[in-house]
Amino acid sequence: SYEVTQPLSVSVALGQTARITCGGSNIGSKVLHWYQQRPGQAPVLVIYRNTNRPSGIPERFSGSNSGNTATLTITGAQAGDEADFFCQVWDNNIAFFGTGTKVTVL
Amino acid sequence: QVQLQESGPGLVRPSETLSLTCSVSGGSIRTLYWHWIRQPVGQGLEWIGRIHPSGSSNHNPSLNSRVTMSVDPSTNKVFLDLRSVTAADTALYYCARGQEASGFDHWGQGALVTVSS
Repeated sequence: SYEVTQPLSVSVALGQTARITCGGSNIGSKVLHWYQQRPGQAPVLVIYRNTNRPSGIPERFSGSNSGNTATLTITGAQAGDEADFFCQVWDNNIAFFGTGTKVTVL
Repeated sequence: QVQLQESGPGLVRPSETLSLTCSVSGGSIRTLYWHWIRQPVGQGLEWIGRIHPSGSSNHNPSLNSRVTMSVDPSTNKVFLDLRSVTAADTALYYCARGQEASGFDHWGQGALVTVSS
């Protein structure tokens, strides 16, 4: 089993930058994806393959992945960005999700 | 635009089999992998397993081989059976499309399944 850890919560002032981390052993060697889940909705892919944004995802979302930590950055957070965020990797043909981070925009 | 919709009984009795269907529209299921993912209310996401229309599949070992998945390309449907359920299997069940390199790019809205007598 591969453990992927995230902080329980992150708070960010409106318009400021939020950074959400995702930790795991040598996670930088793995392909990592990020999902945003608003209350009552299904998750939405916001970053794939570490740094790529799917069509329709705002440029304020960016990702990096190196060493034992991956980071999702929201530059200029908006009220609508309040949600749970999950990272996800594959290890030995099994998908593992991070524990999830609740982002609050103040 | 590909759309996925889960369906199935909302209530399953302990020790019985949970059966769900994922109906795919707006695209063929003949390529790519199709996944089942679940989320207990208020908790995190757990990957259940994946299946490719070629028949290739694998599932999360944590489910102790209780999982069977299948696809029917003629009806564009994906199926999940989870046997010998307990209250711990109560969750919102999602189907999703995805590849290892590109993530789960399309999700259904989820089907809530409660295990209770």
